[in-house]
Amino acid sequence: DIQMTQSPSSLSASVGDRVTITCRASQSISSYLNWYQQKPGKAPKLLIYAASSLQSGVPSRFSGSGSGTDFTLTISSLQPEDFATYYCQQSYSTPWGTFGQGTRLEIK
Amino acid sequence: EVQLVESGGGLVQPGGSLRLSCAASGFTFSDHYMDWVRQAPGKGLEWVGRTRNKANSYTTEYAASVKGRFTISRDDSKNSLYLQMNSLKTEDTAVYYCARVAGELPGYNWFDPWGQGTLVTVSS
Repeated sequence: DIQMTQSPSSLSASVGDRVTITCRASQSISSYLNWYQQKPGKAPKLLIYAASSLQSGVPSRFSGSGSGTDFTLTISSLQPEDFATYYCQQSYSTPWGTFGQGTRLEIK
Repeated sequence: EVQLVESGGGLVQPGGSLRLSCAASGFTFSDHYMDWVRQAPGKGLEWVGRTRNKANSYTTEYAASVKGRFTISRDDSKNSLYLQMNSLKTEDTAVYYCARVAGELPGYNWFDPWGQGTLVTVSS
């Protein structure tokens, strides 16, 4: 099975900061990589699909990049509503919903 | 509005059974693969399984951790997805989400939207 590893596991940042979260796959997954945001007590929400495509309605300060094994999610200027946990997920092979362990983004 | 609403969660004893439902609205349910994903308290997301659509013979796949115990089914006439959980273990305690599989190209699939989740607690 493909393993997904996110770094860091947690991150403290301030409003207005530029933040980057990394996701690494244990083997090449082309660009079959998605990013989700989850706030406490809520369901995950799709942010980025196919590594770099912004989901409709998601603010443009979110962006994704990468292919193969290394991927990044970048928030260009943190807003108060962005403090949440972020997960990457590969869709290259079964088990289809292999997620990273999550990155908790906290207010500094 | 595309919407998924889960129901059926609750407290069950180890070894017991429970059936979750997911009611879909706002899209052509029969066209889509549908998945279940769970999240244990304070933990990350774990994929549970998938049912494909009629065009793909309603085939199913399961995570190793639930295979042989859980069964996913669907009723396209009712726009509903189900998760039958048998031989439940304490480690199955989690919030269970249903999710629509979006994206049409092989491999280019993602979960959108998700339901609000339903809590299953397995405890004596």
